[in-house]
Amino acid sequence: QVHLQESGPGLVTPSQTLSLTCAVSGGSIKTGGFYWGWIRQHPGKGLEWIGYIYYNGESFYNPSLKSRVNISPDTSKSQFSLRLSSMTAADTAVYFCARARVGHSSPFDYWGQGTLVTVSP
Amino acid sequence: DIQVTQSPSSLSASAGDRVTITCRTSQSISDFLNWYLQKPGKAPQLLIYATSSLQDGVPSRFSGSGSGTHFTLTISGLQPEDFATYYCQQTFTTPPTFGQGTMVEIK
Repeated sequence: QVHLQESGPGLVTPSQTLSLTCAVSGGSIKTGGFYWGWIRQHPGKGLEWIGYIYYNGESFYNPSLKSRVNISPDTSKSQFSLRLSSMTAADTAVYFCARARVGHSSPFDYWGQGTLVTVSP
Repeated sequence: DIQVTQSPSSLSASAGDRVTITCRTSQSISDFLNWYLQKPGKAPQLLIYATSSLQDGVPSRFSGSGSGTHFTLTISGLQPEDFATYYCQQTFTTPPTFGQGTMVEIK
């Protein structure tokens, strides 16, 4: 059973860079077949795809966030990270990490529990 | 980006009812459509992928159909644990985009 767990600060100051980590157990981010990504949900709102990475280093980002986002793997620790720069109040959201199957329709089949990030002075 | 519109935005139903939720996309996406269920304070759970394939462990009362720009999720015999918010997601193009959600409430 694959398990994902997000960690990072719950409060970020405006203009700072958010750094979140997703620890993966029960599966490896070093093998093919899956994308490893981030999705966020603004309070009371729908879901927004941020981006994901593949084991070979390929990365894919939402164009609306591309200039501010970086997702990177740490294969030695079986985890991957999100960095989102120039944070504003509009980035306040619950951030989920998730695994997507490569292939037809690439569904997100495993999710972390999510972590609330608030941007405030 | 492909726009994804769900309807209705909310509905009230009773246990045992048959419920249908619709998802429409702004352009044809073949069958690249997934459905998720989300309970308050929890992460979404995958129900159906590629329009009609049931994710492992998901009860058979859930089914999906459609193609092109029009898709439906049907719950045949609503159970108490099914009261939640449902999202569809298109993955035909990047960025993958989600519908705004349909809240299924107890009547």
